[in-house]
Amino acid sequence: KAGVTQTPRYLIKTRGQQVTLSCSPISGHRSVSWYQQTPGQGLQFLFEYFSETQRNKGNFPGRFSGRQFSNSRSEMNVSTLELGDSALYLCASSLGGPSTDTQYFGPGTRLTVL
Amino acid sequence: AQSVTQLGSHVSVSEGALVLLRCNYSSSVPPYLFWYVQYPNQGLQLLLKYTSAATLVKGINGFEAEFKKSETSFHLTKPSAHMSDAAEYFCAVSMSGGSNYKLTFGKGTLLTVNP
Repeated sequence: KAGVTQTPRYLIKTRGQQVTLSCSPISGHRSVSWYQQTPGQGLQFLFEYFSETQRNKGNFPGRFSGRQFSNSRSEMNVSTLELGDSALYLCASSLGGPSTDTQYFGPGTRLTVL
Repeated sequence: AQSVTQLGSHVSVSEGALVLLRCNYSSSVPPYLFWYVQYPNQGLQLLLKYTSAATLVKGINGFEAEFKKSETSFHLTKPSAHMSDAAEYFCAVSMSGGSNYKLTFGKGTLLTVNP
């Protein structure tokens, strides 16, 4: 069974631009979560989707948004990029949700904002 | 509200020595607890999880953790470290029943294994 895939793996953007990251979950998994990982803040929860519905959202500004499609693939978007948005963005999928079911993480997308 | 504190951002052990990574949690409701490992340039991988069954949980690669409610702890141990254990380890907490749909992670502990 294929694992969680994230595209692209690396991105370089400049301040003010916007970016879209993509995540394809493991086949059959309906829950997709997104996390931001930085050296200073560690792993921070962005949002979780299940069957196209956002069930929870972390404490991030409105510039961060996401969605999930009917095939469970998910995208996250960051608008008006800031230098502080430079981070590794991790996507994770699970059958029913991250709190009880095992989450499988993708390799991440490394975003650099110049 | 939930939070996790991992004591020691960096732990160094010799190959063959005991590995002990500390995790304390705070939760207003009975928690579910997890340990994840991250190897360089990779995503996270689940080592083990506690979901209110046995308090001693065995995971992959010889790791285990014990849930101690009185100490609000969930420390990770391995009797004998191997070079391949060098990685960053994250403790995480969620609400039992899964109704908050998120994991809250600790800051991580980088484990170094010396030959």
